[in-house]
Amino acid sequence: GENVEQHPSTLSVQEGDSAVIKCTYSDSASNYFPWYKQELGKRPQLIIDIRSNVGEKKDQRIAVTLNKTAKHFSLHITETQPEDSAVYFCAAKSGNQAGTALIFGKGTTLSVSS
Amino acid sequence: GAVVSQHPSRVICKSGTSVKIECRSLDFQATTMFWYRQFPKQSLMLMATSNEGSKATYEQGVEKDKFLINHASLTLSTLTVTSAHPEDSSFYICSAFSPGTGGEQYFGPGTRLTVT
Repeated sequence: GENVEQHPSTLSVQEGDSAVIKCTYSDSASNYFPWYKQELGKRPQLIIDIRSNVGEKKDQRIAVTLNKTAKHFSLHITETQPEDSAVYFCAAKSGNQAGTALIFGKGTTLSVSS
Repeated sequence: GAVVSQHPSRVICKSGTSVKIECRSLDFQATTMFWYRQFPKQSLMLMATSNEGSKATYEQGVEKDKFLINHASLTLSTLTVTSAHPEDSSFYICSAFSPGTGGEQYFGPGTRLTVT
């Protein structure tokens, strides 16, 4: 089955700096890669996703890149703000079929200090 | 967007009792729902895949007789934790796949289970 590795586990940056979180996956059939932000005690919130037919996607300060050959994808947050502080999870899913679950990385705790 | 609800949001029960958690898709039909468990400061771990009208598929290491899953309709899946013990205390989150979204899953708000 799918295995997703995520690094780093913790990341501390100064406000205004960029933050990068990296993930690798094992199943070459995976074709959907979302990133979630989770605040304590709440459900994961989708912040950006990418599909395997695309190499990069950007939404304001957030971007995701995908390298299918190397089986890794990364989250880039620019101009970080204190409210970006949270736990971020990457995930991978194979196929568009309803029966395939997302498999999550272990998470990255991002701290943005002002 | 698609909405998934869960009930209850918090539950405290005594060791040895059973607890039922409901997961509903409010504005779409979900032939498949997923149950995750999240311990403090850890990731979401897939427990099982719930299929409408058929048996659930459990991940390795998850006891199917302890975590009973029923998916009786296209909008409701239930997870029953039987004979709960303190080590079952966790955050349980369900999610559902909405057809036509290209793979996106929608998460319920989660249920915080505390077993005393």
